[in-house]
Amino acid sequence: EAQVTQNPRYLITVTGKKLTVTCSQNMNHEYMSWYRQDPGLGLRQIYYSMNVEVTDKGDVPEGYKVSRKEKRNFPLILESPSPNQTSLYFCASSPIRHSPYGYTFGSGTRLTVV
Amino acid sequence: GESVGLHLPTLSVQEGDNSIINCAYSNSASDYFIWYKQESGKGPQFIIDIRSNMDKRQGQRVTVLLNKTVKHLSLQIAATQPGDSAVYFCADREMIKAAGNKLTFGGGTRVLVKP
Repeated sequence: EAQVTQNPRYLITVTGKKLTVTCSQNMNHEYMSWYRQDPGLGLRQIYYSMNVEVTDKGDVPEGYKVSRKEKRNFPLILESPSPNQTSLYFCASSPIRHSPYGYTFGSGTRLTVV
Repeated sequence: GESVGLHLPTLSVQEGDNSIINCAYSNSASDYFIWYKQESGKGPQFIIDIRSNMDKRQGQRVTVLLNKTVKHLSLQIAATQPGDSAVYFCADREMIKAAGNKLTFGGGTRVLVKP
């Protein structure tokens, strides 16, 4: 089944403790992206990647890092999480060229930083 | 499941009636406009898209209308069913040479279907 898999689904952590949210896709998509979703603000892009070793900032990159060492994986790293990073996070992937199905999203990761 | 938005505009519709969800966009360079459906506890799921040179496109029970003059997009759902209860997002896509497909999402509308 074609899908984007995120882990974990839920995570509670403390301020300053480094964490990684994993994302993997099995569709051989070149393009991958991370979004955060907050009440009243919709989905905002954090980072994206055009292909292996090619990443760039989205609209809200502060406090986050990413890497793209393999085409299928695009982990999101919070080096020193803070409470304002409490949010619902989505990973998405798509082909570089227009896909009739837009992005494929993962099921989300609910992060709480206390 | 998780709540995706506590302050979303909400459309309440009777089962069997038609629903119309509206969206405004601002990017004149967008080449595609896309509607997503997000059910509780899940990621957004593609519904239908429309290219910027079209003004109407129909899918199964859904129709998207695009008015570029006023930068307005709408999604019509025919014969709304309980399974249509969800949050609906519009997104506009701009193909940026160095950045690939950039989607900008609207804030979302919650649709509640009453039996």
